[in-house]
Amino acid sequence: DIQMTQSPSSLSASVGDRVTITCRASQGISNYLAWFQQKPGKAPKSLIYAASTLQSGVPSKFSGSGSGTDFTLTISSLQPEDFATYYCQQYNSYPLTFGGGTKVEIK
Amino acid sequence: EVQLLESGGGLVQPGGSLRLSCTASEFTFSIYAMNWVRQAPGKGLEWVSAISGSGGSTYYADSVKGRFTISRDNSKNTLYLQMNSLRAEDTAVYYCAKDRVGGNSGWDIDYWGQGTLVTVSS
Repeated sequence: DIQMTQSPSSLSASVGDRVTITCRASQGISNYLAWFQQKPGKAPKSLIYAASTLQSGVPSKFSGSGSGTDFTLTISSLQPEDFATYYCQQYNSYPLTFGGGTKVEIK
Repeated sequence: EVQLLESGGGLVQPGGSLRLSCTASEFTFSIYAMNWVRQAPGKGLEWVSAISGSGGSTYYADSVKGRFTISRDNSKNTLYLQMNSLRAEDTAVYYCAKDRVGGNSGWDIDYWGQGTLVTVSS
């Protein structure tokens, strides 16, 4: 199975900050990497697929990059609605696997 | 707008069974592979199972293989998860989720249901 490791597991940031979350795969997954946002008590929301393509309707302040084993999610200017937990997921092969999550909190 | 509505969750004793359903609307259900993803209280997301659009191919996490069965009825636009031999560690919110791309399974997820809570406890 492919293991997905996210870092950091949590971070504190201020409104307006640029935030970067990293995700590492235990083996190469090309660009078969997705990012999700989840707010407390809510279902996850799909943000990015193919490592860098925004899902329809997702604002351009979100961006993704990477290929192979190392990936990043960047939020260019953090807004109050962006405080949430973010997950990466590989879909290169079954079983699909998620990273452990990164909780973005208000400083 | 795509809609996915799960049902069937509840309280069940260890060793018991439960069947979850997910009713889909506003897209051509039979074209898309579907997934079940769960989240234990206070924990991260865990993929559970997937099924191709035709239902001919199924996939499972090792943690549920041999105990859970995924199926679908394309005439009813409904996805199912039959859960047997339930354990305390199966306690979670279960989400159904749609693949973004039709055809073969194994794509990323674009839509999620609101989830249904399964509690396994005596």
